Order: sequence, then C-alpha cells, then structure tokens
Amino acid sequence: AQTVTQSQPEMSVQEAETVTLSCTYDTSESDYYLFWYKQPPSRQMILVIRQEAYKQQNATENRFSVNFQKAAKSFSLKISDSQLGDAAMYFCAYRSARGAQKLVFGQGTRLTINP
Amino acid sequence: GAVVSQHPSWVICKSGTSVKIECRSLDFQATTMFWYRQFPKQSLMLMATSNEGSKATYEQGVEKDKFLINHASLTLSTLTVTSAHPEDSSFYICSALYLREYDGYTFGSGTRLTVV
Repeated sequence: AQTVTQSQPEMSVQEAETVTLSCTYDTSESDYYLFWYKQPPSRQMILVIRQEAYKQQNATENRFSVNFQKAAKSFSLKISDSQLGDAAMYFCAYRSARGAQKLVFGQGTRLTINP
Repeated sequence: GAVVSQHPSWVICKSGTSVKIECRSLDFQATTMFWYRQFPKQSLMLMATSNEGSKATYEQGVEKDKFLINHASLTLSTLTVTSAHPEDSSFYICSALYLREYDGYTFGSGTRLTVV
C-alpha cells in the first residue's frame, strides 16, 4: 500500500519570505499523481498544485511550485512571497494512475505566517 | 464549476439516534464519491468510496453497518451514521471525482457531527 509522509507537523515563515514544505511517499508504481491541498480554518479543502509522475517538469501555480524528485520519492512544496492568507494546514496526497482512484493523504503540516 | 454541496454543516444528535449527511454535485455528474473522517488536528481518513448505482467500498476497519453510504444518483451521495455514539463525533468530508482535462477532486465543506 502507498504511504505519504509529511515530517514537519508545523512550520512558520515571515510574511513575504519563502517556505518549503516536505513530503515523501512510498510506492512501487511508476505512474501516479501527486497533489498539495490547503485546508484553511474554514476546513474547506483547496487544491494548491498537482503533478503527474510522468512529467519531469515541476508544476508551478503562481507563487506555488513543487520540487518533484521521482527517484527519491520526494514532492516538496515551495511557497514564495508568503502571504497571511497562506496560513493553513497543507496536505500532500498521492493517487495511483490505475486502479483505485482514492487519494492517500499525508499527516499534514500546519503553516503559520508571521506578520 | 465542479462544486460539491455538503449538508448539514453541523449537527448535534442524541446518542442512539441516526443522522444523515448529504453530498450533492451541483454542476457535474459525480460517478465516484469519497467519504472522509477527520479528527481534530489530524489528516483525512478515507472511510469509503461510493460509485453510483453500486455498493460502497469500505476501508479496512470502517463499520459498514454503522456508516451507511448510498449513492443512488449521479448527483447525490449520502452518509448515514446509525445509532450514533459520542465516539462518532467528528468532522466528515465528502469528495467527488470529476473529469476535466485531467482527473480532479472537489470537496464538500464538511459536516461537524457532535453526539451527546
């Protein structure tokens, strides 16, 4: 079974600075998808960024980018120019490209933005 | 687009009663929906996957008879917590799989269940 590990329960960053959240996963599959989701205090899950394993190019979405290292099974999220609205729980998630379509979530990282 | 509406947003029920949570896809057909449970400051734990017109697939350790899932139409899935007890108090979230240019997921806003 696939597992996702986020080793940083909490992170904090100064407003306007850059922060990187770590995520590693374990799988024997070669084709899969990886996601970062944000859960603000409202608890609504919001997709931040998505990466297909077959793509070598790292995904980017405005201030959010990932460092996808397939051989190392690592999928970190970099947030540039941190804003107060970025404060939330961040979850890394894995989904197989075949078979079950369910998401496997990591434990989450709580990100605090210091003004 | 791809909005999922989850109701109620919070509910308080007495121990021993049943409570139903609804999850509706508003602008797309959701052939597959997922139900999660989230404890405070913890991650989402998948309870079951429901496919329209068929029985739900439950994750290991989830009581099928306690958490009844029905996905009778392409726009509605329901989770019924039967004979609720205080330990069932939690935050429940539904999610629907939708197909655009790539597979994506949209989440409901969640239901906070308190059993007293």
